[in-house]
Amino acid sequence: AQKITQTQPGMFVQEKEAVTLDCTYDTSDPSYGLFWYKQPSSGEMIFLIYQGSYDQQNATEGRYSLNFQKARKSANLVISASQLGDSAMYFCAMILKVGESSGSARQLTFGSGTQLTVLP
Amino acid sequence: ETGVTQTPRHLVMGMTNKKSLKCEQHLGHNAMYWYKQSAKKPLELMFVYNFKEQTENNSVPSRFSPECPNSSHLFLHLHTLQPEDSALYLCASSQESSGNYGYTFGSGTRLTVV
Repeated sequence: AQKITQTQPGMFVQEKEAVTLDCTYDTSDPSYGLFWYKQPSSGEMIFLIYQGSYDQQNATEGRYSLNFQKARKSANLVISASQLGDSAMYFCAMILKVGESSGSARQLTFGSGTQLTVLP
Repeated sequence: ETGVTQTPRHLVMGMTNKKSLKCEQHLGHNAMYWYKQSAKKPLELMFVYNFKEQTENNSVPSRFSPECPNSSHLFLHLHTLQPEDSALYLCASSQESSGNYGYTFGSGTRLTVV
């Protein structure tokens, strides 16, 4: 069974500094995808970044980068130059890439989340 | 506007009431999902619809009844709920078999059962 672990319930970072949010995962399937989502207090889940298990390079999206260490099964999110608006809950999630012919939708499994607070 | 719209945003209902949550997506996706987010718990997948067919029901109590009349609309019918059902209910959609593996989420319905 797949499992996502986020060990940091809460993190604080000073504005303009970088912060790393930890995520480890467990799956025996060689083909999977890893996501990070941001959830502000308003509730919506905002997609940030995606890493495929076969991707050779770490994913980057603006100030977000994913430090993918496949052998260690970790997929940490790095936010550079933190802004006050980055304060939110951050979720790591994993999806298994079932075959195209399976006919069933893939399932996204979430970790417990990390509450990030950016300090002025 | 995220492309996935959920109504209502907030709902307070008694344990004997019947209500429905609505989700609508305008993205042309063919799979839709209901998730439950309780305080201090990971998001729990409740139901999956792929091409309007329900493919997953993760041991959800029968007081929650999903309905997917077409690929753009998803409902969650609620009846005789319990106080522990109070949570944020999130709807999501995705496009299967396209190589794009992203889920798009709605803003959620915050449900309080009294």
